[in-house]
Amino acid sequence: EAGVVQSPRYKIIEKKQPVAFWCNPISGHNTLYWYLQNLGQGPELLIRYENEEAVDDSQLPKDRFSAERLKGVDSTLKIQPAELGDSAVYLCASSRDRHDNEQFFGPGTRLTVL
Amino acid sequence: AQSVTQPDIHITVSEGASLELRCNYSYGATPYLFWYVQSPGQGLQLLLKYFSGDTLVQGIKGFEAEFKRSQSSFNLRKPSVHWSDAAEYFCAAVDSWGKLQFGAGTQVVVTP
Repeated sequence: EAGVVQSPRYKIIEKKQPVAFWCNPISGHNTLYWYLQNLGQGPELLIRYENEEAVDDSQLPKDRFSAERLKGVDSTLKIQPAELGDSAVYLCASSRDRHDNEQFFGPGTRLTVL
Repeated sequence: AQSVTQPDIHITVSEGASLELRCNYSYGATPYLFWYVQSPGQGLQLLLKYFSGDTLVQGIKGFEAEFKRSQSSFNLRKPSVHWSDAAEYFCAAVDSWGKLQFGAGTQVVVTP
């Protein structure tokens, strides 16, 4: 069984540029999560999807961050424009459904904003 | 506020020695508890989880954890570490809103 796939693995951009991250969850997993992991810290939830619906986006900075999961499968997280403080690892995770507390994580995208 | 605390930021252990990583939680009721491991450049891998029942939980890679309600703790242990156990370890809990909340992590260094 393929795990959670994320791309790109690494991204370097200049500040004020846009950037997008892609995630494909484990097949059959209805719930998808995006996390932000700053250096030396644990991941923090940005947004959670149940199928195509964003059910928890309270931690997503909506002035510059957006996400979508149009067909309830893969998802894209976008930052526009990026700031220096956005440098971090962006992790995607999935679970079978909202009642399943076991989440499976992708390898993450390491973003560096110069 | 609900929180997960890992008191040790960094631990150095000799190969073959035992390892114990501490985790404390602050929740009104007993949450679901997890330990994850993250190797450099990798995502998080679940080592073990506790939902209810037996308070000593066995996981993968020879790890175990013990839930102690009286101490609000869920410490991770391994009797004999291998060089491949060098990684960052995260304790996590599902809060009352179903959100997975992580501790800050403990970096484990294994020396020859």
